[in-house]
Amino acid sequence: NAGVTQTPKFQVLKTGQSMTLQCAQDMNHEYMSWYRQDPGMGLRLIHYSVGAGITDQGEVPNGYNVSRSTTEDFPLRLLSAAPSQTSVYFCASSYWGDRGEQYFGPGTRLTVT
Amino acid sequence: TQLLEQSPQFLSIQEGENLTVYCNSSSVFSSLQWYRQEPGEGPVLLVTVVTGGEVKKLKRLTFQFGDARKDSSLHITAAQPGDTGLYLCAGATSGTYKYIFGTGTRLKVLA
Repeated sequence: NAGVTQTPKFQVLKTGQSMTLQCAQDMNHEYMSWYRQDPGMGLRLIHYSVGAGITDQGEVPNGYNVSRSTTEDFPLRLLSAAPSQTSVYFCASSYWGDRGEQYFGPGTRLTVT
Repeated sequence: TQLLEQSPQFLSIQEGENLTVYCNSSSVFSSLQWYRQEPGEGPVLLVTVVTGGEVKKLKRLTFQFGDARKDSSLHITAAQPGDTGLYLCAGATSGTYKYIFGTGTRLKVLA
């Protein structure tokens, strides 16, 4: 099993550009989520999904869009990048439920200039 | 806004010392997780605690969930340089899937 994979590993964008961060898991997990990690802020939940076709907002959803067309994939779209979105982005997955045993991808380091 | 407060934020100790990290909230959690994160990598799950008062041991690490399920602690006995990393607690309140993370405790164990 590859676990949770994320691409790209690094990305530099100019303000106003859009892009999609990819996330895939091969563990047949129902729950998937996106977090951003900023210095001194811990991880903050952006969006999450409890199954294909079902998504919901987390703590910091503004400026991001998600969809879940398959169990395996959960892409995160930045609609119009802003410098405030410079961060490290992590995707995670777990079996459905609230035990929270999440498996994380290696992260995408995004810089917006 | 739900908050998980971790203390201390930073800890630098000598090899062989003991330490305790705390994770506190005013909210009740259905479960609470502890993760360790190393530079350039994603967090890796250490343990999940579910029952109030529960104690779990993972080699030299002891995790405890508070009786009221609002707080947790991580105790490391005889710390080793390999324990160096960022320790994060996380949880979700019952009936939600919106996990929140603490701000983390950055531990450095000196040889």
